[in-house]
Amino acid sequence: SQKIEQNSEALNIQEGKTATLTCNYTNYSPAYLQWYRQDPGRGPVFLLLIRENEKEKRKERLKVTFDTTLKQSLFHITASQPADSATYLCAQSASGTYKYIFGTGTRLKVLA
Amino acid sequence: DVKVTQSSRYLVKRTGEKVFLECVQDMDHENMFWYRQDPGLGLRLIYFSYDVKMKEKGDIPEGYSVSREKKERFSLILESASTNQTSMYLCASSPPEGSGEQYFGPGTRLTVT
Repeated sequence: SQKIEQNSEALNIQEGKTATLTCNYTNYSPAYLQWYRQDPGRGPVFLLLIRENEKEKRKERLKVTFDTTLKQSLFHITASQPADSATYLCAQSASGTYKYIFGTGTRLKVLA
Repeated sequence: DVKVTQSSRYLVKRTGEKVFLECVQDMDHENMFWYRQDPGLGLRLIYFSYDVKMKEKGDIPEGYSVSREKKERFSLILESASTNQTSMYLCASSPPEGSGEQYFGPGTRLTVT
């Protein structure tokens, strides 16, 4: 069955550096991949969506790539700040279904 | 901005009680979802609804039921709460299929003792 895999280990980086988080999927290529931010005890907040026919999407300091050959999406935060510290979730959805599959998330900590 | 609200942030119930979790969205979205989130397991879909009075089971519907009488409101019901239903419950809504993103409420941390 389809799975979304994210690195469960926390990622620590220095302020000002670029954080790169990885999301791998198995089997079929999803129609959409989404990235969400989740703070402790709160609901996820939608950040970016990329379609399978798109290679890259940007929004301010955020960038998402989608590589169907590698079955992978990368999420980048440039010029990272301590306020970017959170857990980031990757999710996929497919056309014709209401089913979303979420990864377990990667915790990012940006050190001042 | 889309706003999804949930009736309680924290809830403590006893085993065997009937529990109602309410969710309201203000963006006229057709689709609404209930998830539970547990450490190491990620978000798991309990039920979703694509229209008023329409519902479909997700991955873990056992022990739960739902109600959608109005487009903006989606309720999750725990018929007889058990300790293994202690979890974070998240409601979400999304526009009609095609846009992909979901908008989540703040979550309800339910503890069943």
